[in-house]
Amino acid sequence: EDQVTQSPEALRLQEGESSSLNCSYTVSGLRGLFWYRQDPGKGPEFLFTLYSAGEEKEKERLKATLTKKESFLHITAPKPEDSATYLCAVQAGGYNKLIFGAGTRLAVHP
Amino acid sequence: ETGVTQTPRHLVMGMTNKKSLKCEQHLGHNAMYWYKQSAKKPLELMFVYNFKEQTENNSVPSRFSPECPNSSHLFLHLHTLQPEDSALYLCASSQDDLNSPLHFGNGTRLTVT
Repeated sequence: EDQVTQSPEALRLQEGESSSLNCSYTVSGLRGLFWYRQDPGKGPEFLFTLYSAGEEKEKERLKATLTKKESFLHITAPKPEDSATYLCAVQAGGYNKLIFGAGTRLAVHP
Repeated sequence: ETGVTQTPRHLVMGMTNKKSLKCEQHLGHNAMYWYKQSAKKPLELMFVYNFKEQTENNSVPSRFSPECPNSSHLFLHLHTLQPEDSALYLCASSQDDLNSPLHFGNGTRLTVT
């Protein structure tokens, strides 16, 4: 059965303290892995798509990487405005049918 | 107006009521989706429409009834809901090609009393 697991469930960082969020997946035939950011009271906002192992993408303080079994979202020198829930999703076979993880709630304190 | 707009933002309804959620997208996409988001649980896909045709019904109870009159508008009709249906209901749209990212609205927070 296709499955996506995100860890940790919650993460508290001090401003400037770099860290990584993990998304491990078990799917048959990965077509793409997506990262989203969700702020309280809002819908998820698209960040990245990764297609194959070894691929990396960056946006400001965020960098997403992909292996055959997991993806990492690295946050370098985070700021309080990076506080949000980060969601990982995979597309496997099904036409635009994404399987989401439960998310990691990130809190960055000044 | 741009993006994906959902109305209402908040809805409280009794178990015997009938209500509808509305979604409109201004992105020129031709696929639209309904997702359910409950606390600490992954987003659950409910329905998918491609070019106004329903292509996915993810074993959703019949008390939820979707309608897609055109590629820009999507409705979710609700009737005789249960308290466990209380959740954030998210609408999304995308191009119909594989790996096209979803663009989400800000959701309707539904409370069933």
